[in-house]
Amino acid sequence: DAKTTQPPSMDCAEGRAANLPCNHSTISGNEYVYWYRQIHSQGPQYIIHGLKNNETNEMASLIITEDRKSSTLILPHATLRDTAVYYCIAYNAGGTSYGKLTFGQGTILTVHP
Amino acid sequence: DAGVIQSPRHEVTEMGQEVTLRCKPISGHNSLFWYRQTMMRGLELLIYFNNNVPIDDSGMPEDRFSAKMPNASFSTLKIQPSEPRDSAVYFCASSSTGTTQYFGPGTRLLVL
Repeated sequence: DAKTTQPPSMDCAEGRAANLPCNHSTISGNEYVYWYRQIHSQGPQYIIHGLKNNETNEMASLIITEDRKSSTLILPHATLRDTAVYYCIAYNAGGTSYGKLTFGQGTILTVHP
Repeated sequence: DAGVIQSPRHEVTEMGQEVTLRCKPISGHNSLFWYRQTMMRGLELLIYFNNNVPIDDSGMPEDRFSAKMPNASFSTLKIQPSEPRDSAVYFCASSSTGTTQYFGPGTRLLVL
């Protein structure tokens, strides 16, 4: 699976949008971009994933550049409960590396009151 | 709708003892994964099963670790004998083949 690069930490004010970037310049055509987060002492929580098109669900939006070399996770109205480590993962769920979600260091997002 | 269930949530044991961690996947999911998380190594995949069959156990650290999935609704991860370096949080995740993995709350293991 392709390596991803994320900033180690980011801050955001409560109520504002949090925009978390991820670089995945070596992503292959059949690899999806997955985002998980891990709130302290909990298991990783699935947020969203996409292949080429932008995606939105009740938790977040995912913007993938046209060349697929980078993406941005957007939490539209961050709350204190969104404080967590956010992981961006390039993952081919149907390929030979199936099952091997590779979690990097992620981005520690801190939402301030 | 229940998510992935793991037990126990916390385990404290002494070096040399056998430890058994348990996992109940989401109903209908046919793939199950065991991960370990430590400060030094982060989250790493230990083993995964598809339709109750172990597919890849290359992440299992050594012979002291074993995992079984006797049926579609239950899996165990056993450490025998346990060592202090096995102290970590162990997560179980499940999915339908080729789709998103959903994680349980984890078991915090401390080996003294």
